[in-house]
Amino acid sequence: LAKTTQPISMDSYEGQEVNITCSHNNIATNDYITWYQQFPSQGPRFIIQGYKTKVTNEVASLFIPADRKSSTLSLPRVSLSDTAVYYCLVGGISSGSARQLTFGSGTQLTVLP
Amino acid sequence: SQTIHQWPATLVQPVGSPLSLECTVEGTSNPNLYWYRQAAGRGLQLLFYSVGIGQISSEVPQNLSASRPQDRQFILSSKKLLLSDSGFYLCAWSFYRGSQETQYFGPGTRLLVL
Repeated sequence: LAKTTQPISMDSYEGQEVNITCSHNNIATNDYITWYQQFPSQGPRFIIQGYKTKVTNEVASLFIPADRKSSTLSLPRVSLSDTAVYYCLVGGISSGSARQLTFGSGTQLTVLP
Repeated sequence: SQTIHQWPATLVQPVGSPLSLECTVEGTSNPNLYWYRQAAGRGLQLLFYSVGIGQISSEVPQNLSASRPQDRQFILSSKKLLLSDSGFYLCAWSFYRGSQETQYFGPGTRLLVL
């Protein structure tokens, strides 16, 4: 399984760009990288998913270097409502019966006014 | 569009009592379904997943079991709850595009065992 490591917490100010990095040194060839946002007492919300290089959607960008051993979630111009825990998930379809899915420990992002 | 429901939203149960949590998905067919548990302040732990009716795989040995009696219904059960079963239980469904899988989570059930 691809073990993931994220910073436990990060602080930022409103309007700044925030970058959260996830390390996954033994990522497998078929693994995708997915990021989720979770507010207290709610289910994780899908943010973005990618395999390599750069992916961008209306809320975030995901940067994945060529070796794919890490990934960086970039949130442009954060607001107070972006205060949440952000999880990195690495996984993919395996040929066996066990599913290869690993969640990181999560990064608590606190946006300050 | 697809939606995923979980109930109940919260549950307080005595030790030794049975448990049944339900998850249903609308707007898709033959989804992969997952049960996760999240302890307070911790990450998500995969408990069970299912790729079809009656097909259940367990990721960790535990006091819980899962069943999938219908295509879009996933049930988490226990015959006798333990204090350590307390936590936030999340159901998720996923779809594939080629080898790419994306999971979407339900609102969760908070279980407190006393």
